[in-house]
Amino acid sequence: EVQLVETGGGLIQPGGSLRLSCAASGFTVSSNYMSWVRQAPGKGLEWVSVIYSGGSTYYADSVKGRFTISRDNSKNTLYLQMNSLRAEDTAVYYCARGERGLSDAFDIWGQGTMVTVSS
Amino acid sequence: SYVLTQPPSVSVAPGKTARITCGGNNIGSKSVHWYQQKPGQAPVLVIYYDSDRPSGIPERFSGSNSGNTATLTISRVEAGDEADYYCQVWDSSSDHAVFGGGTQLTVL
Repeated sequence: EVQLVETGGGLIQPGGSLRLSCAASGFTVSSNYMSWVRQAPGKGLEWVSVIYSGGSTYYADSVKGRFTISRDNSKNTLYLQMNSLRAEDTAVYYCARGERGLSDAFDIWGQGTMVTVSS
Repeated sequence: SYVLTQPPSVSVAPGKTARITCGGNNIGSKSVHWYQQKPGQAPVLVIYYDSDRPSGIPERFSGSNSGNTATLTISRVEAGDEADYYCQVWDSSSDHAVFGGGTQLTVL
């Protein structure tokens, strides 16, 4: 079964760091491009970052310089390292697969992991 | 940066047709994808490449895209279609994905 499972969320103080993980099964993370998308409570979807199969990475302006996307091919897992966290980073974080065959649509999503930044 | 504009809410009676729009500058030149999100759940892809349906999505869901507006059409609306719907494109100039603000579909 093709699926994504996120872990690593929790309560963190402003200025702190957190690393999210997204374990994939049923497909190879490194053969696809993978993104993180977040959703603040009661708000819409916000794209955060992408890593392409070739390794190139891109970030939303709101997280650039603070967040780092990466993957471990041996573990078939995607990561999001989040540093200098702010209250406005509070959100459910989803990992999603971008499928070239579907014109780059996000066809597989994880269940999400909640990150709360608060003192 | 590229901006997508959706109406905050759309209401429709059961059995009728719902149309949700997504506006963007020359959006007709981009591939538009639509996602359905029910409360407490992850988004689900319902339309990709303007008008194609992933396997498992009912034929009642269709899409179109031209000029400055893309539209998601849901025919014969059912209570189970009540959800938030988001449009999305890739801004190739920045390699950023862009989501619309979302539209809450209410089935009366």
